[in-house]
Amino acid sequence: AQKITQTQPGMFVQEKEAVTLDCTYDTSDQSYGLFWYKQPSSGEMIFLIYQGSYDEQNATEGRYSLNFQKARKSANLVISASQLGDSAMYFCAMRDEDTGNQFYFGTGTSLTVIP
Amino acid sequence: EAQVTQNPRYLITVTGKKLTVTCSQNMNHEYMSWYRQDPGLGLRQIYYSMNVEVTDKGDVPEGYKVSRKEKRNFPLILESPSPNQTSLYFCASGVNGNSPLHFGNGTRLTVT
Repeated sequence: AQKITQTQPGMFVQEKEAVTLDCTYDTSDQSYGLFWYKQPSSGEMIFLIYQGSYDEQNATEGRYSLNFQKARKSANLVISASQLGDSAMYFCAMRDEDTGNQFYFGTGTSLTVIP
Repeated sequence: EAQVTQNPRYLITVTGKKLTVTCSQNMNHEYMSWYRQDPGLGLRQIYYSMNVEVTDKGDVPEGYKVSRKEKRNFPLILESPSPNQTSLYFCASGVNGNSPLHFGNGTRLTVT
């Protein structure tokens, strides 16, 4: 079974609007970490935001926030006030303590910001 | 500057010719790992290391070897590369298994 599922292969958003990128995960572990990374067309992987499974508050980093719904096993990324530079691939990832700190990545969502 | 350095950035080789992709980090990170990225499949973990002399298989370890003799270096070895190992490879490091990963710039490998 897939550990991380990103169901949106491609998304479009108008500049200055907010967008939500979906991510669901599968684990039976109580302790895990959830991450979002951005990959622009230049190819590098950029860390955006982290949520620990025991964190009660949703993580926020500037324009990025993580909508963590533990019971639903979802960890959606919300980007507010989209900018043209936000156009990129976005990957959701999970560090699973059950499997000895393996990292699992989703297949990614390609976001295009329209001027 | 804190960074993860991979070399080479691009590599074209032939089936069966052993190769090594180097990875070095200057942040004194304990955790290091290798991934391959293929279209439609995202990133898949090949091997990871929690510390010196400690390595573990990820999801797709077949055809790869790693070693962690020093904290800063984590080379990826393909003893007998095959065309299905053509991919974009990333090395990454983190303070530990719980912390965000810092990625290298990637190595694009083509095996003909």
